Amino acid sequence: DSGVTQTPKHLITATGQRVTLRCSPRSGDLSVYWYQQSLDQGLQFLIQYYNGEERAKGNILERFSAQQFPDLHSELNLSSLELGDSALYFCASSASGTGKNIQYFGAGTRLSVL
Amino acid sequence: GENVEQHPSTLSVQEGDSAVIKCTYSDSASNYFPWYKQELGKGPQLIIDIRSNVGEKKDQRIAVTLNKTAKHFSLHITETQPEDSAVYFCAASISRQLTFGSGTQLTVLP
Repeated sequence: DSGVTQTPKHLITATGQRVTLRCSPRSGDLSVYWYQQSLDQGLQFLIQYYNGEERAKGNILERFSAQQFPDLHSELNLSSLELGDSALYFCASSASGTGKNIQYFGAGTRLSVL
Repeated sequence: GENVEQHPSTLSVQEGDSAVIKCTYSDSASNYFPWYKQELGKGPQLIIDIRSNVGEKKDQRIAVTLNKTAKHFSLHITETQPEDSAVYFCAASISRQLTFGSGTQLTVLP
């Protein structure tokens, strides 16, 4: 168990809808990262938050947004969902905001857009 | 940005044999190289990492080597066991994000 908790484990929704994925980092970790894993694109970095502030942005669509709350949990919001958004979404956390720190991954949320 | 290429995409070995997975990276500023193992239905789990000031690191049956000049690094698993079967990802990091390779599906045949 990595100590990173993601909910829900599975999410099934329809095109055009909006969903929220939740992540609780390991105790004491200040940094949260979101990744998308699809069959044809591997693990793609979406966005990073550090202690409540956005720190780095990757290939995140404008329809997607994230935030980190004062208790350090994070939410990834996906809107106007398309079939191609179906994927595994992982959250990872690390102790600090630099890439040198070990990132611990949660078990992921599997999103199916029908 | 950083680009990481990983080979092979699939690898089958007999139990007890060694397995080698290779990765190359594009940005010479990358300074941290972790390897993750992902089992079916689970998130990636760090198995070993190496920093750019080190050429080799070993942890029991797992070793990683780094060649900064050639910009490539490799994962070596010796005495493979069926429980080593999984997808392995290499990654490279400059500062705030990891760029992952495309993954290697390792199958250890009993």
